[in-house]
Amino acid sequence: DVKVTQSSRYLVKRTGEKVFLECVQDMDHENMFWYRQDPGLGLRLIYFSYDVKMKEKGDIPEGYSVSREKKERFSLILESASTNQTSMYLCASSSGGSFYNEQFFGPGTRLTVL
Amino acid sequence: AQKVTQAQTEISVVEKEDVTLDCVYETRDTTYYLFWYKQPPSGELVFLIRRNSFDEQNEISGRYSWNFQKSTSSFNFTITASQVVDSAVYFCALSDDIVYGGSQGNLIFGKGTKLSVKP
Repeated sequence: DVKVTQSSRYLVKRTGEKVFLECVQDMDHENMFWYRQDPGLGLRLIYFSYDVKMKEKGDIPEGYSVSREKKERFSLILESASTNQTSMYLCASSSGGSFYNEQFFGPGTRLTVL
Repeated sequence: AQKVTQAQTEISVVEKEDVTLDCVYETRDTTYYLFWYKQPPSGELVFLIRRNSFDEQNEISGRYSWNFQKSTSSFNFTITASQVVDSAVYFCALSDDIVYGGSQGNLIFGKGTKLSVKP
């Protein structure tokens, strides 16, 4: 069974803390994505990666960075967490080199920044 | 610019009713792809269907059916004889045909429609 896992389902951090969200996929997919989901705004792409060590900005990259040192793992980093980064974070992966292939999603991490 | 509009924020039906979720899109591309994803209360989005812009045939999968009409830029999703397990947020999404190797291409999601099916 294909799987995308995320390190935490729920996370509570304080303003200014450095936060790491980890995502691992076991499907040998080339592409990995980080989205945030907010009520009334749907899903918005933060960053994506189409190969190891490659990364591209999505629609809302400000305040975030990413790391992809291994094909199966894609990390989202909040260098200095702020309250407006309280959100649901979804990781996804897909095969191929385009956005039109099916994406497989993880269960999400609900991050609260106090 | 690409855009996906799901005008229905929330829909509530009683079990066994049919329900249609609307999706209207905007794009200038001639080749594009449309998707529906389901997000149950557990949170994990599940892929339901992908359609390319050259295939306007309607599709049926069990109780699910999709109506793609380029003339009205719509890709509507109908659930026949709804069940409680259909309760979820449903997202329509649009992507272009670009193969990326740079910051090109995108997958745009609508804001989602929350469907509640009551017993």
